[in-house]
Amino acid sequence: DQQVKQNSPSLSVQEGRISILNCDYTNSMFDYFLWYKKYPAEGPTFLISISSIKDKNEDGRFTVFLNKSAKHLSLHIVPSQPGDSAVYFCAAMTGGSQGNLIFGKGTKLSVKP
Amino acid sequence: DAMVIQNPRYQVTQFGKPVTLSCSQTLNHNVMYWYQQKSSQAPKLLFHYYDKDFNNEADTPDNFQSRRPNTSFCFLDIRSPGLGDAAMYLCATSTRGQGGGETQYFGPGTRLLVL
Repeated sequence: DQQVKQNSPSLSVQEGRISILNCDYTNSMFDYFLWYKKYPAEGPTFLISISSIKDKNEDGRFTVFLNKSAKHLSLHIVPSQPGDSAVYFCAAMTGGSQGNLIFGKGTKLSVKP
Repeated sequence: DAMVIQNPRYQVTQFGKPVTLSCSQTLNHNVMYWYQQKSSQAPKLLFHYYDKDFNNEADTPDNFQSRRPNTSFCFLDIRSPGLGDAAMYLCATSTRGQGGGETQYFGPGTRLLVL
C-alpha cells in the first residue's frame, strides 16, 4: 500500500510556463517532506523540503506547498526551463522514523523549448 | 567537492555469485543508507547505519547484508543474487541530529545486472 503517491507518471510543459507536480500521502504522521530531481543514470538530487509546521517554502524558481488537511503537497517551478526536464520524486518521513524516507514513484517532467 | 561516491556505476554478476557494491562519502555524515530502485518504481530502503548501529528494514531479504567499516565507507553485499535483484542500488547519507527532518544526499547509484 503506497503511502506516498504521485499519480501523474509524466508531465509536459512549455518553456517559460509553470510546472506543477503533485503528491498525495496517506500517513498523517509524516512531518517532513522533500522533493528530489533525478536525471537518467544519476542519483536523486535534493531539491527542496518543507516541514509540516509550514505551508510553503520557496527557493528561487522552486516553491513547495503543503496542505496538511488534504494530505497533499505540490512543487511549482516558475519559469520552467528545458534543463528542468527530469524525474521528480516526492518523499516523506516522520521525525521518529530513523530517517526512513518513503518515496513516490516519480513524475517525469519534460520542458519543451 | 563533498560528495557521495558509488563504485562501480555498472555491475554485471552471475546468478548466485556473490557481489559487493561500495559507497563512500566525504560529507562526514553519521548516517548511511542503501536503497533499491527497480524500473519505474520508488526507491525502497533496504537498511541504514546510524554511526555503527545497523538498522534493517523488516522486509529486506536476508540475501542482502551491509558493512560499515568506518564513517566514510559502506558496502552492500548480495550473497546469492537472483534475477529479481537486478536494479539500481542507491547509497545516501545524512546528518541526524535532534528532532525530525533530515535531508538525504544520494550517490549516482550502481546499476546491477544479473545474468
